[in-house]
Amino acid sequence: GAVVSQHPSWVICKSGTSVKIECRSLDFQATTMFWYRQFPKQSLMLMATSNEGSKATYEQGVEKDKFLINHASLTLSTLTVTSAHPEDSSFYICSAPRKSGTDNYGYTFGSGTRLTVV
Amino acid sequence: KQEVTQIPAALSVPEGENLVLNCSFTDSAIYNLQWFRQDPGKGLTSLLLIQSSQREQTSGRLNASLDKSSGRSTLYIAASQPGDSATYLCAVQFYFGSGTKLNVKP
Repeated sequence: GAVVSQHPSWVICKSGTSVKIECRSLDFQATTMFWYRQFPKQSLMLMATSNEGSKATYEQGVEKDKFLINHASLTLSTLTVTSAHPEDSSFYICSAPRKSGTDNYGYTFGSGTRLTVV
Repeated sequence: KQEVTQIPAALSVPEGENLVLNCSFTDSAIYNLQWFRQDPGKGLTSLLLIQSSQREQTSGRLNASLDKSSGRSTLYIAASQPGDSATYLCAVQFYFGSGTKLNVKP
């Protein structure tokens, strides 16, 4: 089945540093990748949508200069949290829709990255 | 923007009971709807995917239905077990509900 590999699984960084999270589609081409953030005891909130070869689309209230998204190839999308602060500590997860022709196979999720900023 | 609502927010049942989780959405023009479970501190596990042309999907003790016209989906869990305890999330395309936290008591 379709697999999205997300790395790292967890990361601890110092306040003010940047952290890069990668999501790779292993056995299918992901022209679109969705990036979510989940705070404790809350649901997943869509942050942005990345499209291969074009600029990402950010949801209202998400700072595009802080959360840099790159989708340089059909199998790789990255999210960089720049100048991280403790309030950026969260669970970040990516998701890619899987389609084949007119068939829609839903969304495949990465395993998530738990970011802790100290 | 699609708004997804899940009711109840939390549910506690004794083992063996059948139960229904509810999901409603505001825009009926959808491609698909997915049900996931999430264990504490973990990622998502896809349970069932319903295409817009389908009315229900079944997998083992799970049955999910979809009524686009009314903007509703239900997840039915038969003969619940303690291992079913988790948060269940409904996703309409790429928008998530707030989840239902299920506790099945032994």
